[in-house]
Amino acid sequence: ETGVTQSPTHLIKTRGQQVTLRCSSQSGHNTVSWYQQALGQGPQFIFQYYREEENGRGNFPPRFSGLQFPNYSSELNVNALELDDSALYLCASSRQGFYEQYFGPGTRLTVT
Amino acid sequence: AQTVTQSQPEMSVQEAETVTLSCTYDTSESNYYLFWYKQPPSRQMILVIRQEAYKQQNATENRFSVNFQKAAKSFSLKISDSQLGDTAMYFCAFYPNAGNNRKLIWGLGTSLAVNP
Repeated sequence: ETGVTQSPTHLIKTRGQQVTLRCSSQSGHNTVSWYQQALGQGPQFIFQYYREEENGRGNFPPRFSGLQFPNYSSELNVNALELDDSALYLCASSRQGFYEQYFGPGTRLTVT
Repeated sequence: AQTVTQSQPEMSVQEAETVTLSCTYDTSESNYYLFWYKQPPSRQMILVIRQEAYKQQNATENRFSVNFQKAAKSFSLKISDSQLGDTAMYFCAFYPNAGNNRKLIWGLGTSLAVNP
């Protein structure tokens, strides 16, 4: 059984740029959730994707957007990067209707 | 709004001893799940233990057990026979089993250091 993978591991961007983070879900999982974890904080829910559609969203502005593909992998896109976007971005996969989420290793984004 | 509170930012324990991490939560829901996740320096968020709110029996996973007090909205984690590899951030998380916006709601975490 393949676990959740994320790429890249680390990323450095400049304020105002755009970034795309990628996540491959665990085998057999059809739901992907994205979380932002600022340094010293707990994760904050960004949004969830199921059947290629957004299925719930946290308190994040529209410049945070996502996609889910037919193979259930997912992308998180952030436009017009701000310094406060610097964080660890976690992807978690699950089966719809099941509450257990399994996490990838995260992508560390630094905005300068 | 649902909230999760972890009142211990940092804790330490000697190897082989027992430590308890505290978590309280606030919700009006009756059907939900509670989790403890571990995040070591590698950053990977690892599920430690889960508890279904409808179950009265406390969950146990090897050296990890919980004390779930539903009326008090308390969900503490006990780690027995602590090992050096238990050093990590521990997060308590709440998951409502109702509504359209089901998401994990997290506490701020407790940094646990296991000392040799």
